Amino acid sequence: DAGVIQSPRHEVTEMGQEVTLRCKPISGHDYLFWYRQTMMRGLELLIYFNNNVPIDDSGMPEDRFSAKMPNASFSTLKIQPSEPRDSAVYFCASRSLIGTGYGYTFGSGTRLTVV
Amino acid sequence: AQKITQTQPGMFVQEKEAVTLDCTYDTSDPSYGLFWYKQPSSGEMIFLIYQGSYDQQNATEGRYSLNFQKARKSANLVISASQLGDSAMYFCAMRRFQGAQKLVFGQGTRLTINP
Repeated sequence: DAGVIQSPRHEVTEMGQEVTLRCKPISGHDYLFWYRQTMMRGLELLIYFNNNVPIDDSGMPEDRFSAKMPNASFSTLKIQPSEPRDSAVYFCASRSLIGTGYGYTFGSGTRLTVV
Repeated sequence: AQKITQTQPGMFVQEKEAVTLDCTYDTSDPSYGLFWYKQPSSGEMIFLIYQGSYDQQNATEGRYSLNFQKARKSANLVISASQLGDSAMYFCAMRRFQGAQKLVFGQGTRLTINP
């Protein structure tokens, strides 16, 4: 099991550019989550999907952020246009309802720097 | 709404000593799960231990144990015989059993183990 795979690991972009973060969840997991981590706000949930359907996007900061899950093995988080305040580590996580109460697995994160 | 509070921004402990990291939570749900994650300087989120609200016994995983006091709404993490490799950020998190599947995180505690 390769775990949750995120790409890229690091991204540096200029303000105004479009940024796309990618995530491959663990095969068979029903839920996929996007979190953002900053010093000021800690770990905050942006959006999560169940069976590829967005369930709660109330954490998405504004219209510049969008997320898609076209199939069970792939999700993207897009920021257009990017701003310096978007600089953060973005984590993707997945879990399955089958099994015990735990089972949330996080990817290694994408460190985004907008200059 | 769920809320997790970690009141210790930083802790310094001597190697081989036991350490307790505090976590209190607030929820009106009767069923929920409590988690602890470790985030070393490399950035990944590592699952440590889980406690269900109806579990009769406190959870243990190797050197980690969870001191669960339901009436006080606290779920403190105890690390026995601390090691230099335990130096990291530690996050407490909670999930409702009904409805939303998201994890809500506390602000974290930075633990430093001194040799």
